[in-house]
Amino acid sequence: DAGVIQSPRHEVTEMGQEVTLRCKPISGHDYLFWYRQTMMRGLELLIYFNNNVPIDDSGMPEDRFSAKMPNASFSTLKIQPSEPRDSAVYFCASRKQGANTEAFFGQGTRLTVV
Amino acid sequence: AQSVTQPDIHITVSEGASLELRCNYSYGATPYLFWYVQSPGQGLQLLLKYFSGDTLVQGIKGFEAEFKRSQSSFNLRKPSVHWSDAAEYFCAVGPFTGGGNKLTFGTGTQLKVEL
Repeated sequence: DAGVIQSPRHEVTEMGQEVTLRCKPISGHDYLFWYRQTMMRGLELLIYFNNNVPIDDSGMPEDRFSAKMPNASFSTLKIQPSEPRDSAVYFCASRKQGANTEAFFGQGTRLTVV
Repeated sequence: AQSVTQPDIHITVSEGASLELRCNYSYGATPYLFWYVQSPGQGLQLLLKYFSGDTLVQGIKGFEAEFKRSQSSFNLRKPSVHWSDAAEYFCAVGPFTGGGNKLTFGTGTQLKVEL
């Protein structure tokens, strides 16, 4: 398996624009997670899905952020409108159901909002 | 609420020297503990994990960690560091009750290796 695939790897956008980050989890994994990493706040869980259903979105910072998982092999994280303080690295991770399993992370999308 | 503390933000060691990275956690039940490594510009790679059983766990790249319940610690060790080990290391704790994997990460320890 190619692992968790995120695109794009880098995104530079102007303030006010819509940004969409994409994630393809590992095939057969039941959970998908979106994390944000910043110098100030470290790694924060934004939202996670189980079998394509959002379970906990309490980490989503504002209504400007939304995430979807239309099927088992694809998820998006959208920011509309984007702001400079959204600049961060966004990671997607996936995991199989059950105990004794760990999360596998993608390589991240570095977002810069200018 | 669960939390993870990595008291050392930066650590510098010489190549060939031993390494210990500290991790303390706060969690109300038996924790599931992880160490991840992040190289520059890369995602997080799992080094090792503890779920139950033997409190000394072996991981990849020659790393090991020991779970000490009495000290609420899960320190990462390596007997001889290689220059390629320079990276950022994250300790994490997560429950599995009810499914999901709400990993809570520490703030990370940046490891520098001097040649």
